[in-house]
Amino acid sequence: AQKVTQAQTEISVVEKEDVTLDCVYETRDTTYYLFWYKQPPSGELVFLIRRNSFDEQNEISGRYSWNFQKSTSSFNFTITASQVVDSAVYFCALRGGRGETSGSRLTFGEGTQLTVNP
Amino acid sequence: NAGVTQTPKFRVLKTGQSMTLLCAQDMNHEYMYWYRQDPGMGLRLIHYSVGEGTTAKGEVPDGYNVSRLKKQNFLLGLESAAPSQTSVYFCASSTRRLAGGLTGELFFGEGSRLTVL
Repeated sequence: AQKVTQAQTEISVVEKEDVTLDCVYETRDTTYYLFWYKQPPSGELVFLIRRNSFDEQNEISGRYSWNFQKSTSSFNFTITASQVVDSAVYFCALRGGRGETSGSRLTFGEGTQLTVNP
Repeated sequence: NAGVTQTPKFRVLKTGQSMTLLCAQDMNHEYMYWYRQDPGMGLRLIHYSVGEGTTAKGEVPDGYNVSRLKKQNFLLGLESAAPSQTSVYFCASSTRRLAGGLTGELFFGEGSRLTVL
């Protein structure tokens, strides 16, 4: 069985602060994929990143960075110099896979509500 | 550039009524999903399909039925709606393969808000 835990239900920061959203996962698959999605107040779900289990290189995209640590089963997401527009619910998700074929099910965490105050 | 389209966007039902949510995708994706989103519970998988004519149960399938008669469509039915089914429903689709630059992400519809009185 797969499980994704986002222990932080809500986080509130002041603009320009750095903030890290935690994600811990459980899976028996040896190959798997981790995702982060953003859900702004408008309600749509926006894909942010996918990370393969066999690639532990961290990734940076502008103000966003992701820290994947297989040893602790964590895939944390950091926003540097947060902005009001970053206010949203952020979901971490996990999907099994075999080679070039993805597993069919994507398991989501409960989400973290991030509020960035001006 | 339609992507994933859900209809209707909003619906109010009385307890015991039935309805069908329609999801259509134009990306030729093999996999399709129905999730429900409730406050504090993230997205929970109701049913999913790995191909035309096949469906499978997710985490919370009770009270729902699905059908995938065509590859591009995935229908979610409520035969006898209950207040506990008040939720926002999301349809999603994705590719099976992850090669060739494909990320395996799920593409989501805009959501359907259902209220059962």
